[in-house]
This record gives sequence, structure tokens and C-alpha cells, in this order.
Amino acid sequence: DAKTTQPTSMDCAEGRAANLPCNHSTISGNEYVYWYRQIHSQGPQYIIHGLKNNETNEMASLIITEDRKSSTLILPHATLRDTAVYYCIVRVAHYITQGGSEKLVFGKGTKLTVNP
Amino acid sequence: TAGITQAPTSQILAAGRSMTLRCTQDMRHNAMYWYRQDLGLGLRLIHYSNTAGTTGKGEVPDGYSVSRANTDDFPLTLASAVPSQTSVYFCASSPQSGSRDIQYFGAGTRLSVL
Repeated sequence: DAKTTQPTSMDCAEGRAANLPCNHSTISGNEYVYWYRQIHSQGPQYIIHGLKNNETNEMASLIITEDRKSSTLILPHATLRDTAVYYCIVRVAHYITQGGSEKLVFGKGTKLTVNP
Repeated sequence: TAGITQAPTSQILAAGRSMTLRCTQDMRHNAMYWYRQDLGLGLRLIHYSNTAGTTGKGEVPDGYSVSRANTDDFPLTLASAVPSQTSVYFCASSPQSGSRDIQYFGAGTRLSVL
């Protein structure tokens, strides 16, 4: 799986958009970009994923550059409850049918602090 | 909605004792996973199960065993706990063991081995 690079920490004002960048310059054509977050003392939570098109769901938007070497997670109206560590993960898109496992490789992520 | 339930929430265990961490999901997911999370090391996969009746070793399986007798339950057993197994343990599940499947995590079990 390709490696990702994220800033260690970011701050955002409550009610403003939080834009979290992720670099994945070695991403290959069959790798998806996933975002998870982990609120303090809780289990990781899936947010969104995409291949090459921009994606939006009820939690966030994902913008992937045309060359797919970087992406941005956007929380449109951040709240205090969005304070968490956000992980950008790049994973292959094929299914493993024999042996192996689709483990998630979490890097260090970005610590997002939403301030009142 | 329950999703994944882990028990206990936390535990203090004497070294050398055995313990089973419980994990139950009500989503009828085929695949289940056990991770441990340690400061500075992120989440590491201990064991996994692609479907009921099968299990496999992850990155750090030593000192742990699992079983998957049915779809819903995936217990993790420490036969003889050691202090290095002090960690936060997360159970996760996904509809099947494919990379496009989303993994859903439990709230975790904090284990201290003294």
C-alpha cells in the first residue's frame, strides 16, 4: 500500500470548514483513498473513501487531485465534536480471496482541534 | 443500533493470568479483526477471520489466540498475560474481507497487565 503524509496537527474554528490535506504521491491506479477518524478514547470511525472522483456524504467531502497524488478531506461546518485524529489511508482495490487480510494501516494522522 | 460490542471496557490483569476479550457484532459481517493500539505505534493487526470457521495471523499474533465458532462472535484470548500486552484492544468487522469494504470498530478494551 502506498504511504501517506499528513500534517501532525491543525486547528479550526467552530462553524468553519476544516480542510485536511493528505499527500500520497506513490499511489497506484488501483488504490483507493480512505479517511477514518478517531475521537479520543473511541474506536476508529470510517468517514469517506474515493478512487479518483470527488466524493461527498453526510459527514464530509473528499477532493482528489487529477493526478491522484494528494487529497483533501473537507468537514464543511466543523463542530467541537469533530475534534479527533484523522487518518488518510491508501489501499489496494482488489479483494483477497486466499489468506491475507485487509488490515488497515493507520499512520500518525492529523490531530484536528476545533476551537469554540 | 449496537454494531460491535466489546467487553470488558477495561481490565487490570496480573501477569501470568489468562483472559478473554469478547467481541460481538450484530451486522452479520463475514470478516472480523482484532487490533491493538499503542502510543506511537498506531493500530496493529493481531488476528483476523475472513469468515466463520477460519482465522489468520496478523502482524503481532504472538501471545494471542482467537476462535470464530459463528458469524457474530470473535473472542481474543491471552493465555498467559505479560506486561507488554498492556494496550487498548479494538475489534472490527467488515461485510467481507475486501479492501473496498469499510471496517467498523468497537469502542475498545483497555487492558493493563501488571
